[in-house]
Amino acid sequence: AQSVTQLGSHVSVSEGALVLLRCNYSSSVPPYLFWYVQYPNQGLQLLLKYTSAATLVKGINGFEAEFKKSETSFHLTKPSAHMSDAAEYFCAVTPYGGSQGNLIFGKGTKLSVKP
Amino acid sequence: KAGVTQTPRYLIKTRGQQVTLSCSPISGHRSVSWYQQTPGQGLQFLFEYFSETQRNKGNFPGRFSGRQFSNSRSEMNVSTLELGDSALYLCASSSGQGAVTEAFFGQGTRLTVV
Repeated sequence: AQSVTQLGSHVSVSEGALVLLRCNYSSSVPPYLFWYVQYPNQGLQLLLKYTSAATLVKGINGFEAEFKKSETSFHLTKPSAHMSDAAEYFCAVTPYGGSQGNLIFGKGTKLSVKP
Repeated sequence: KAGVTQTPRYLIKTRGQQVTLSCSPISGHRSVSWYQQTPGQGLQFLFEYFSETQRNKGNFPGRFSGRQFSNSRSEMNVSTLELGDSALYLCASSSGQGAVTEAFFGQGTRLTVV
């Protein structure tokens, strides 16, 4: 079965610092991978997705992620954190042959940004 | 273009009761999925409906059920509520065709069981 592991339930960075949120997946075949963001009392918003095209994926709000098959990783980065980036971030994978209608999520990483 | 609408936003129910939550997808979307979000278990997939048929199902007891209507609106029902059913229930809609289409989430219904 496919699964996703997010390392670090809480990450704190200073405004302007690099943001790095870690995600590792387990899959016997190349999966589709996603990063979502959730602000308090809101639903989830798609940041970016990997669908086996380019390994470096650019998303909204300056975020990007790199698919590394050898490391089974799909870490999310942003060069310079902004206060508005404070939220919870979820990495997700679709089962092989599945659709975005059936997502398997990691436990989430709550990002805090200090002024 | 209107987003995904979930009603109600907040709900308080008593143990043993049943509850029905509603989700109106984005116009033209035929797939509706439901997720349960709790602090302990995180986000867990409940089921997906596509063109009125359940296409996928997560690992939840039979007390959790759903349906989809011809206009793609979906409802989920939880019978015999337990305290552990307290959660944020999220609905997501997508075109449902292919794995690369984006799933759009509603703001959720927060259910509290007392």
